[in-house]
Amino acid sequence: GESVGLHLPTLSVQEGDNSIINCAYSNSASDYFIWYKQESGKGPQFIIDIRSNMDKRQGQRVTVLLNKTVKHLSLQIAATQPGDSAVYFCAEKMTGNQFYFGTGTSLTVIP
Amino acid sequence: DTGVSQDPRHKITKRGQNVTFRCDPISEHNRLYWYRQTLGQGPEFLTYFQNEAQLEKSRLLSNRFSAERPKGSFSTLEIQRTEQGDSAMYLCASSPLAHNEQFFGPGTRLTVL
Repeated sequence: GESVGLHLPTLSVQEGDNSIINCAYSNSASDYFIWYKQESGKGPQFIIDIRSNMDKRQGQRVTVLLNKTVKHLSLQIAATQPGDSAVYFCAEKMTGNQFYFGTGTSLTVIP
Repeated sequence: DTGVSQDPRHKITKRGQNVTFRCDPISEHNRLYWYRQTLGQGPEFLTYFQNEAQLEKSRLLSNRFSAERPKGSFSTLEIQRTEQGDSAMYLCASSPLAHNEQFFGPGTRLTVL
């Protein structure tokens, strides 16, 4: 399943499928990006980050892709599990230490 | 539990009252952030401390809002003369100087009646 975070804020996928969550960022000068997962009633939880001198970074079951040409980030989750159901935010580091968070995409995993 | 803690978790107040929230960051984290989050939106940056110095403030932080971190450890966020529009989740996060990963607390949910 795939979403464009700003236009399709919800994504439903079958358990075991791969998920792709997209994010368009605003500032071409941003040099650092983070993906967060937020479960209901909890604060955001760090998933993976990437610096602007990279175009891909992999973690455990997650991959972040960065396309600076079109100011686009994506988060790929492999073999999506019910525990992955949450809202996912991308955040870009602006000037100084301010982080700007996108609107978020709600991921629902169907067992 | 050595994570970021926030107190209280929930606060209901009447319009016009003052409220104060506390954040205890992860021990030895130099950086501390406050964010506001409304339903369906991402966190919005409010302010940032490095040790006891408040280095950055968002224009969202009106003169009714004040934040302190007097000893470079815990921080407080005070809202004076609360308005219904202040109803939101107030999140605190901390990070070490060495890298940018922020660790968030559970938040304080404020409801202004």
